[in-house]
Amino acid sequence: AQTVTQSQPEMSVQEAETVTLSCTYDTSESDYYLFWYKQPPSRQMILVIRQEAYKQQNATENRFSVNFQKAAKSFSLKISDSQLGDAAMYFCAYRSSFISNFGNEKLTFGTGTRLTIIP
Amino acid sequence: SQTIHQWPATLVQPVGSPLSLECTVEGTSNPNLYWYRQAAGRGLQLLFYSVGIGQISSEVPQNLSASRPQDRQFILSSKKLLLSDSGFYLCAWSFGGPYEQYFGPGTRLTVT
Repeated sequence: AQTVTQSQPEMSVQEAETVTLSCTYDTSESDYYLFWYKQPPSRQMILVIRQEAYKQQNATENRFSVNFQKAAKSFSLKISDSQLGDAAMYFCAYRSSFISNFGNEKLTFGTGTRLTIIP
Repeated sequence: SQTIHQWPATLVQPVGSPLSLECTVEGTSNPNLYWYRQAAGRGLQLLFYSVGIGQISSEVPQNLSASRPQDRQFILSSKKLLLSDSGFYLCAWSFGGPYEQYFGPGTRLTVT
């Protein structure tokens, strides 16, 4: 079974600075997908960024980018120019690319990192 | 565009009472649907998923059940709630395949 580990329960960063959130995972599969989700105080989960394991190029979405190290099974999220609205819980998630006959696209989540933005 | 709704937003129920949480998706057809539970300070745990009407798969044995009576409707139920059922319940949908999941606003359930 796949596992996802986020070893930083809490992080803080000064507004306008850069912060990196860590995520490692364990899998025996060669093809899969990785995601970062944001959960603000409203608690609705919002997709931040997605990475396909077969792509060597790191995904980027505006101020958010990832450092995907497949061999090391590491998937960190970098937030540049941090803003007050970035304050939230951030969850790393893994999804297998294998689709069974009945469909199996469940996400395996880490325990999250709470990010605080200091004005 | 697609939207996902959940209700109620909050619910306080006594132990042993029944439960029904509803999730509906608009703007798409034949979505994959998911129920997750998030305990306080923890990540999300998949409870059920469905790839079509009447097709439900359970990930975690428990006193909860799920049903999909219509293409875009997903219901989470229990006949008798336990204290351990308290948590934040999130519904999600996806197109299936390699596509990401999109989450609803969630329901906060407190069992007293």
